[in-house]
Amino acid sequence: EAAVTQSPRNKVAVTGGKVTLSCNQTNNHNNMYWYRQDTGHGLRLIHYSYGAGSTEKGDIPDGYKASRPSQENFSLILELATPSQTSVYFCASGDTGGANSDYTFGSGTRLLVI
Amino acid sequence: GDSVTQTEGLVTLTEGLPVMLNCTYQTIYSNPFLFWYVQHLNESPRLLLKSFTDNKRTEHQGFHATLHKSSSSFHLQKSSAQLSDSALYYCALSDLSNNRIFFGDGTQLVVKP
Repeated sequence: EAAVTQSPRNKVAVTGGKVTLSCNQTNNHNNMYWYRQDTGHGLRLIHYSYGAGSTEKGDIPDGYKASRPSQENFSLILELATPSQTSVYFCASGDTGGANSDYTFGSGTRLLVI
Repeated sequence: GDSVTQTEGLVTLTEGLPVMLNCTYQTIYSNPFLFWYVQHLNESPRLLLKSFTDNKRTEHQGFHATLHKSSSSFHLQKSSAQLSDSALYYCALSDLSNNRIFFGDGTQLVVKP
């Protein structure tokens, strides 16, 4: 069954440390997305990708980098983690535009930066 | 740019009463695609229903919504709320000019006995 798998499910990081969140999809979708979810802010787009080798900035990219080494994998990198990046992070995959652009979300990663 | 507005942050109602969650949108594109996603506690968002046909009712799992381009609205409705409907609901918008979906801020629905 096609799916989006995120790892780790939970992560505790220290301030100033490097954090890498991983996402793998078996949907063969071109597009992949990273969102963070905070109470009162809904889903906010951090970075996204149209395909292997591409990354695009979303609405809140500061403090984050992304990497798309293959069709299946999309990583979110926090080079210098800060407590303000404590959040729940969701990865999603989707086809290109229009009616087929609905997303499949992963199960989420809870990140705590102390 | 595209945007979605959900006016209610929290809706609380009693089981058995009708549900209506408001959604309006802004886009310059004449053929938008509208979505409702539902997220239960400690789960990820999943698609509830979607539409791109003007004035056509779309139904799924007891919920329904109708895209009205004249008023730029896509309200979510259900005739009788159940306790299991308690969740966070997102209205979302896409069009063929971009490769992303724009989400509203979400409406938390709490159904009480």
